[in-house]
Amino acid sequence: GQNIDQPTEMTATEGAIVQINCTYQTSGFNGLFWYQQHAGEAPTFLSYNVLDGLEEKGRFSSFLSRSKGYSYLLLKELQMKDSASYLCAVMDSNYQLIWGAGTKLIIKP
Amino acid sequence: IAGITQAPTSQILAAGRRMTLRCTQDMRHNAMYWYRQDLGLGLRLIHYSNTAGTTGKGEVPDGYSVSRANTDDFPLTLASAVPSQTSVYFCASMGTSGDTGELFFGEGSRLTVL
Repeated sequence: GQNIDQPTEMTATEGAIVQINCTYQTSGFNGLFWYQQHAGEAPTFLSYNVLDGLEEKGRFSSFLSRSKGYSYLLLKELQMKDSASYLCAVMDSNYQLIWGAGTKLIIKP
Repeated sequence: IAGITQAPTSQILAAGRRMTLRCTQDMRHNAMYWYRQDLGLGLRLIHYSNTAGTTGKGEVPDGYSVSRANTDDFPLTLASAVPSQTSVYFCASMGTSGDTGELFFGEGSRLTVL
């Protein structure tokens, strides 16, 4: 079966750095996505990785290792507005997105 | 309309009733999707459409039907609602199925079946 694993909840301090991990087992691989979802709102796109390595976009970076079935989202200089759920999703061989259950990130002052 | 619009945003429904959730996009995207999101389970695909005139079943299609008569509209119908269909429903679109661009989501429809 297809499976995406990520921690259920994480807590971090304002101004700090946090790394959210995602491991996956899917039928084929056509890219990995990270989305941010604030409570009561729709998910919004953060990043896309299809090749191994690090993609940096401002305070957010995403890393992929296809051989290990592993990705992480790195958030720097945390702000209170970063409190949200972070969803990892993998596009399988049928070009369908398989979603993780999401990681709820709590930022404390 | 800007982007992707869902209606209604919230609805309470008696079990056994028929309900249609509407989804309209103005981005001329080919691919459209319906997901349900339940606490602790993440997003689960109900039905999808790669282009107008075609539809496919996702992970949890039972009890739901869709149609794609044109590019812009992708309604989701619950023929006879049951309490287990209580959920938040998201419609989404992408330029082309398999496109490496982002998935655009509607604001969601919160459905409660009593």
